[in-house]
Amino acid sequence: NAGVTQTPKFRVLKTGQSMTLLCAQDMNHEYMYWYRQDPGMGLRLIHYSVGEGTTAKGEVPDGYNVSRLKKQNFLLGLESAAPSQTSVYFCASRPRQGGQPQHFGDGTRLSIL
Amino acid sequence: RKEVEQDPGPFNVPEGATVAFNCTYSNSASQSFFWYRQDCRKEPKLLMSVYSSGNEDGRFTAQLNRASQYISLLIRDSKLSDSATYLCVVTSGGSYIPTFGRGTSLIVHP
Repeated sequence: NAGVTQTPKFRVLKTGQSMTLLCAQDMNHEYMYWYRQDPGMGLRLIHYSVGEGTTAKGEVPDGYNVSRLKKQNFLLGLESAAPSQTSVYFCASRPRQGGQPQHFGDGTRLSIL
Repeated sequence: RKEVEQDPGPFNVPEGATVAFNCTYSNSASQSFFWYRQDCRKEPKLLMSVYSSGNEDGRFTAQLNRASQYISLLIRDSKLSDSATYLCVVTSGGSYIPTFGRGTSLIVHP
């Protein structure tokens, strides 16, 4: 009964390094989302996907790339990490049919030094 | 005007109290409404969906007022464990993207 799984849970990077965050869901959901949340702030949408092979920009997409090669996985990439990308990253998924809530992973805590 | 607005609080209440939060939304085409709970540095967790006729889950009651464009959450008999941030989420018909409020902080003290 995994739901939405994010890996890794924690990571420390140096400025300029690259990394990929993985989100996997086992609920056969069509829609997937990546958010970031900074202290004292709300969730901000980075990118989202409405199906395998499709992605779209959210509110704060700069500095990030995403891919959805398989329906169950949504990858978030940082090509050249910057201190401003220090944040908690949450992945979420939901079914296509209207009126359904999102299900969230338990987050990735990322620090960029 | 922000699409979804919440009073950030904090609401500071004693155990056993009844507390209510409101959340206003600006898009009259909004169709889906939810309340989530978020503990410090944890993921948001679905508390309850909000239906047009209102709905109740134990100590929690959610209401929707389409005419005035707000939803509410009532918590009865507050417990220490209810201390958290409560997020209002609204989705418009045909939209892929839910809109989150900034959240209302609740602190329940002994």
